[in-house]
Amino acid sequence: AQSVTQLDSQVPVFEEAPVELRCNYSSSVSVYLFWYVQYPNQGLQLLLKYLSGSTLVKGINGFEAEFNKSQTSFHLRKPSVHISDTAEYFCAVSDGRGSTLGRLYFGRGTQLTVWP
Amino acid sequence: DAGVTQSPTHLIKTRGQQVTLRCSPKSGHDTVSWYQQALGQGPQFIFQYYEEEERQRGNFPDRFSGHQFPNYSSELNVNALLLGDSALYLCASSLRFTGIFHEQYFGPGTRLTVT
Repeated sequence: AQSVTQLDSQVPVFEEAPVELRCNYSSSVSVYLFWYVQYPNQGLQLLLKYLSGSTLVKGINGFEAEFNKSQTSFHLRKPSVHISDTAEYFCAVSDGRGSTLGRLYFGRGTQLTVWP
Repeated sequence: DAGVTQSPTHLIKTRGQQVTLRCSPKSGHDTVSWYQQALGQGPQFIFQYYEEEERQRGNFPDRFSGHQFPNYSSELNVNALLLGDSALYLCASSLRFTGIFHEQYFGPGTRLTVT
């Protein structure tokens, strides 16, 4: 089974500052990687995904992530955050093949709080 | 397009009772997955349905069961509720996974509180 580690449970940052949310996963075999955002009392919204190809992935709301296979990492970045980015962020991995194809394994989440 | 819908939004039950949660997938999707998100945790995979059969199951006891109907909607049933079953239950829909990635779309969830 896959496992996902989000290295920071909380990240406070001031508005317009850059931010990085860190994520490491357990397997180096074929995987798909995702970042989801969850606003209070809402479901999950997909920010971006890595399936194959370029290791730098761009998503919605100005977020991007870089896939690093040797370090089994998929860190999320934004060069300048807004108050509206305050939310819980989840890193997730899915096997690219096999009997667990399509199952998502999530990290415990990182609460991003943007202060004015 | 209505997206993934879930009902009810909130639910309060007593220990030992049974509960049924419902999910309607996004139009055109035939696969439904259920996840449990306890407070302060990431979602945990419960099971996945397509063609009206359970295809994958996570590490959850048999008290958790499900069903998928011919119109692809799905139910999650939990028997003999425990306090630890209190969580947000998320439904996600997609096209069937056949080796090609298909994005999963999540519903808003059902908040279950067991007292």
